[in-house]
Amino acid sequence: DTEVTQTPKHLVMGMTNKKSLKCEQHMGHRAMYWYKQKAKKPPELMFVYSYEKLSINESVPSRFSPECPNSSLLNLHLHALQPEDSALYLCASSQGLNRAGEQFFGPGTRLTVL
Amino acid sequence: AQSVTQLDSQVPVFEEAPVELRCNYSSSVSVYLFWYVQYPNQGLQLLLKYLSGSTLVKSINGFEAEFNKSQTSFHLRKPSVHISDTAEYFCAVSDRRNRDDKIIFGKGTRLHILP
Repeated sequence: DTEVTQTPKHLVMGMTNKKSLKCEQHMGHRAMYWYKQKAKKPPELMFVYSYEKLSINESVPSRFSPECPNSSLLNLHLHALQPEDSALYLCASSQGLNRAGEQFFGPGTRLTVL
Repeated sequence: AQSVTQLDSQVPVFEEAPVELRCNYSSSVSVYLFWYVQYPNQGLQLLLKYLSGSTLVKSINGFEAEFNKSQTSFHLRKPSVHISDTAEYFCAVSDRRNRDDKIIFGKGTRLHILP
């Protein structure tokens, strides 16, 4: 199994809602990532988990809360989002420990905040 | 710190014509280099990568890229493009010492194939 899965594919939420994005991989990777991608822009790194511990938080607002319950799962909890948070949210994984640097990406969740 | 420059935001090219997408990077340390492709409404896929060894790397669908250390470049080429190559192409760099495999993306080049 060489893929990263993400659910849901699409999500529409209001500014007062609480929702979660889910990411899963079964490649034995020990590093997992959340990215935000706006239209016609490169992905922007949000969080990195290495060996299930948060290792990088790129100054992301607290309305985004990541969670790594185990080495295969990564969640992103959303609360009180703003319309400008509407974007494609991408999850990725890699072997970690810089064994090759390559990241494997999921198909993304397209989020719309009303 | 590393940075990646993709000078062309958009490249139009006729079908079956050759194409080159330019990528230059800046780094004070040794790096890994990547090209990722993003088809419309999809996530990113690795197209090819340079880790070490031969400076010319090739993908299964006809793309190739050459690592040029002196010019700090990693340009992507294809001798004959197809309509299915329409996509956004991102050049990326990773610090070899980085335990987290953090990668830095360029701004992307949109390849537009003309019939």
